[in-house]
Amino acid sequence: DTGVSQDPRHKITKRGQNVTFRCDPISEHNRLYWYRQTLGQGPEFLTYFQNEAQLEKSRLLSDRFSAERPKGSFSTLEIQRTEQGDSAMYLCASSFGDNEQFFGPGTRLTVL
Amino acid sequence: SQQGEEDPQALSIQEGENATMNCSYKTSINNLQWYRQNSGRGLVHLILIRSNEREKHSGRLRVTLDTSKKSSSLLITASRAADTASYFCATSHLDSGTYKYIFGTGTRLKVLA
Repeated sequence: DTGVSQDPRHKITKRGQNVTFRCDPISEHNRLYWYRQTLGQGPEFLTYFQNEAQLEKSRLLSDRFSAERPKGSFSTLEIQRTEQGDSAMYLCASSFGDNEQFFGPGTRLTVL
Repeated sequence: SQQGEEDPQALSIQEGENATMNCSYKTSINNLQWYRQNSGRGLVHLILIRSNEREKHSGRLRVTLDTSKKSSSLLITASRAADTASYFCATSHLDSGTYKYIFGTGTRLKVLA
């Protein structure tokens, strides 16, 4: 499968715990994006990378969230000290330049 | 708040009819993309239209862009039950040297067999 993959697909955690998600983009894509989506809403932009550089980070993203793309390939999104309000679907997408974004299946986070 | 606002929020039509969804946005854009999302599933890219384009087609899909009105429409012709999904527009615009990406609130389309 040469599409965008995300791992894990589901994560249940207790409030206060740290969680980390991984995204593997389409190999030839130089841009990678993270979004968050809650039920009935459109995806909300979190951050994006061009190669290994993080170019934009949403002001809505608290300091508990951090993302990396160390070698310009896969990316990780970490949420520290999770809160119930962090429960959502976390979506990753990739593109070549400012072109079509292709999305992965998402990681559904439930914070108890 | 999100830049893109889709209209209507929900649409219910009979199979075979055409469905039109509209998207309005606030700032000048680089491009606008339309996506489909089936319940509980990932987003599927449909069409990208650039700011210097006015219309694009893909199969039964037709997208128009009016930059003077800051709006776009997605037309699905001869709808099928399988078209039942949520449809989102997403804009890309350059701001202070980096790109901003904003999704709309979505239109929930239901096609009745």
